Amino acid sequence: DPKIIQKPKYLVAVTGSEKILICEQYLGHNAMYWYRQSAKKPLEFMFSYSYQKLMDNQTASSRFQPQSSKKNHLDLQITALKPDDSATYFCASSQSGGQNTLYFGAGTRLSVL
Amino acid sequence: GEQVEQLPSILRVQEGSSASINCTYENSASNYFPWYKQEPGENPKLIIDIRSNMERKQTQGLIVLLDKKAKRFSLHITDTQPGDSAMYFCAASALGNYNVLYFGSGTKLTVEP
Repeated sequence: DPKIIQKPKYLVAVTGSEKILICEQYLGHNAMYWYRQSAKKPLEFMFSYSYQKLMDNQTASSRFQPQSSKKNHLDLQITALKPDDSATYFCASSQSGGQNTLYFGAGTRLSVL
Repeated sequence: GEQVEQLPSILRVQEGSSASINCTYENSASNYFPWYKQEPGENPKLIIDIRSNMERKQTQGLIVLLDKKAKRFSLHITDTQPGDSAMYFCAASALGNYNVLYFGSGTKLTVEP
């Protein structure tokens, strides 16, 4: 019974299109994150949110925009998709406050053609 | 941020022997060091962690060591089994009110029967 739900599991997109990756967590956590995993950069940190506020953004491109409509939601909108964006995107959550276990969702595997 | 270096990238051992993975970090403010195991097609899962107020921690065949002076930490898997075959990632996080983890590049461990 997954407590962090990511949708869809697989996603194929055309170059230049826009997609939204969905993430909901039912662990009661206050902090949520996005990480990206590709052959070039395993487990690269992208964004962190705490109490629905952006805390840290280490993604250079503004094409990546997180969206938090509820405390337990953190979606990721990606615009003007490029083949280099192909990767598995992991949503994660933890309690705020540091040194707390980070739990990962199952990931969305994105392929951009 | 933080830079975490992880070696080796590939590790093959015989069943029943030990496996060791080493990581170094740069930011002396880092104070939390978890280890994650990732099986093919799965999400990373926490297997053990250590905080900066400890030098050694052991649980169920896993030992982690932390040398803060050298900014180095390591994972030792004793009595390896084929089920231990997976990718292993070390990570470090810095002080703060949220738990951003910076991951090493991963070690692919293969335990041969």
